[in-house]
Amino acid sequence: DAGITQSPRHKVTETGTPVTLRCHQTENHRYMYWYRQDPGHGLRLIHYSYGVKDTDKGEVSDGYSVSRSKTEDFLLTLESATSSQTSVYFCAIASLDRARNNEQFFGPGTRLTVL
Amino acid sequence: GEDVEQSLFLSVREGDSSVINCTYTDSSSTYLYWYKQEPGAGLQLLTYIFSNMDMKQDQRLTVLLNKKDKHLSLRIADTQTGDSAIYFCAETLPISGGYNKLIFGAGTRLAVHP
Repeated sequence: DAGITQSPRHKVTETGTPVTLRCHQTENHRYMYWYRQDPGHGLRLIHYSYGVKDTDKGEVSDGYSVSRSKTEDFLLTLESATSSQTSVYFCAIASLDRARNNEQFFGPGTRLTVL
Repeated sequence: GEDVEQSLFLSVREGDSSVINCTYTDSSSTYLYWYKQEPGAGLQLLTYIFSNMDMKQDQRLTVLLNKKDKHLSLRIADTQTGDSAIYFCAETLPISGGYNKLIFGAGTRLAVHP
């Protein structure tokens, strides 16, 4: 499982409240990603990070911000949650194995419900 | 544009072969992946194929790649009930530092019945 944990695993919140999801890895991987999974869309990239304080946007970044102050933690923040952000959020890391194209391994996911 | 398409549902009888199809758009994708997701779980990397290959076999799994048509398929031989899951096809696009981002299809739900 590449030592990836996500917290919380489940969260219910109300529209307009801020929410922060945490991804933690134990193997010093440089690249980390946040995806969301919705029915009919598969997984879509929100943001990714290529090092401490180095982040960039993915395809569906509106309404989300990220931070990476330590190699092992990548935080996803919804500044003001909306019902359209109800989803399952997955964190991923890219392996260091160039021979396998730095394949990505995924965490267990966080199910977020915004009422 | 970036778009990966899959059929959404496949039902097979236990013991038969399953074939899950995928089309992708970016001809520069170097690797193409198949991920498996069981209910309530994360994604598990099932297999992958490098873009200069036509076929890859791994035990019960066979991946076929037609680069001309940008078509990828996953065949599962002797399908078992434990193979019931959602299968995602993904293409890779470069970002920085030689790393990639993944573009996923919507997933194919495989149902295996006795």
